[in-house]
Amino acid sequence: GNSVTQMEGPVTLSEEAFLTINCTYTATGYPSLFWYVQYPGEGLQLLLKATKADDKGSNKGFEATYRKETTSFHLEKGSVQVSDSAVYFCALSNSGGGADGLTFGKGTHLIIQP
Amino acid sequence: DGGITQSPKYLFRKEGQNVTLSCEQNLNHDAMYWYRQDPGQGLRLIYYSQIVNDFQKGDIAEGYSVSREKKESFPLTVTSAQKNPTAFYLCASSIAGLALYEQYFGPGTRLTVT
Repeated sequence: GNSVTQMEGPVTLSEEAFLTINCTYTATGYPSLFWYVQYPGEGLQLLLKATKADDKGSNKGFEATYRKETTSFHLEKGSVQVSDSAVYFCALSNSGGGADGLTFGKGTHLIIQP
Repeated sequence: DGGITQSPKYLFRKEGQNVTLSCEQNLNHDAMYWYRQDPGQGLRLIYYSQIVNDFQKGDIAEGYSVSREKKESFPLTVTSAQKNPTAFYLCASSIAGLALYEQYFGPGTRLTVT
């Protein structure tokens, strides 16, 4: 079956540091890949997505590249801010029609210190 | 503004009682989903529906039931058969049940059963 593995947290960084959150996946076919962010007590918001190999998703300074050869979708940001503190989820959806929901990683809690 | 609403934000129930969580969307999306989130875990799919009057079990459907009588609404009932009902419940929707479409999430309902 499908699965998503992402680095355990919490990850604590200083403001303006470089961020990488690793995400690898196992899936049949050609899934779409997503990063979602969750702020305390709230639902999830889509951060970025990529729907095919070598696509790069980007938003708000965050980037992730769909690497089929390494089955990875690592999230990066060049200079983090305190406001980036949140839980980040990597997710995939199955290819083809009739998608049966997303498969999520366990989430990585990111803490940015001023 | 278009979006997904879930009510209430916090819900308390006694063990042995059924409880229904509301989810409404005005995005004109065909597909809707229910997820459960537990501390330190990713989201797990409970049920999903790709069209009115049709729904499918997800990974952890036991002890839950749903209905999809209207396109806008996808209520979830947590029955007394659910062994560990205390959790954060998230409803989501997407344009259609296809892999490349992202899901939009509601703010969630935190259910506590004592």
